[in-house]
Amino acid sequence: GQSLEQPSEVTAVEGAIVQINCTYQTSGFYGLSWYQQHDGGAPTFLSYNALDGLEETGRFSSFLSRSDSYGYLLLQELQMKDSASYFCAVRGAGYALNFGKGTSLLVTP
Amino acid sequence: ETGVTQSPTHLIKTRGQQVTLRCSSQSGHNTVSWYQQALGQGPQFIFQYYREEENGRGNFPPRFSGLQFPNYSSELNVNALELDDSALYLCASSLESDAETQYFGPGTRLLVL
Repeated sequence: GQSLEQPSEVTAVEGAIVQINCTYQTSGFYGLSWYQQHDGGAPTFLSYNALDGLEETGRFSSFLSRSDSYGYLLLQELQMKDSASYFCAVRGAGYALNFGKGTSLLVTP
Repeated sequence: ETGVTQSPTHLIKTRGQQVTLRCSSQSGHNTVSWYQQALGQGPQFIFQYYREEENGRGNFPPRFSGLQFPNYSSELNVNALELDDSALYLCASSLESDAETQYFGPGTRLLVL
């Protein structure tokens, strides 16, 4: 089977940097994805890491270590609009994604 | 480019009834996946369709069934509704060649009383 672990809640101050960790157990690993979901909204794709290392997209970066079965999402220059839930996900059977339970990020003034 | 749309946005049913939820994929996407998201949880994979064939199924009973049509729109049918079926139902479309990038619709919020 597959399992993903991530913290349930994180709080950070506007302008700061926050890191959301994800550890996973899976057979047949393809890569680690990250999605953002605002309250009442749809999940939206943020990033995908297939290989070890850091991928940067604007204020967001994502890191993967395949040997450690570990990845993280790094959010810099936090803004109030970044308050949302963040999910890591790995590919399962076929092309489906298996999601973690999500990390609720609260950005405070 | 038209995004993923779902209908209806909200639905209230009673236990034992049947429901059909609809999804229109993003233009050009040939793969659609359905997810159930309970409050405070991550989306749980129900099943996926590729070129009108079921291409994988999660841990959901047979009363959850689906269809994908030639225009890549899709339906999720749930029979014999149970109270625990109350959730947000999301569909997501993607390209076969880029499975990790899934485009989600806004979801249908189902309440079973």
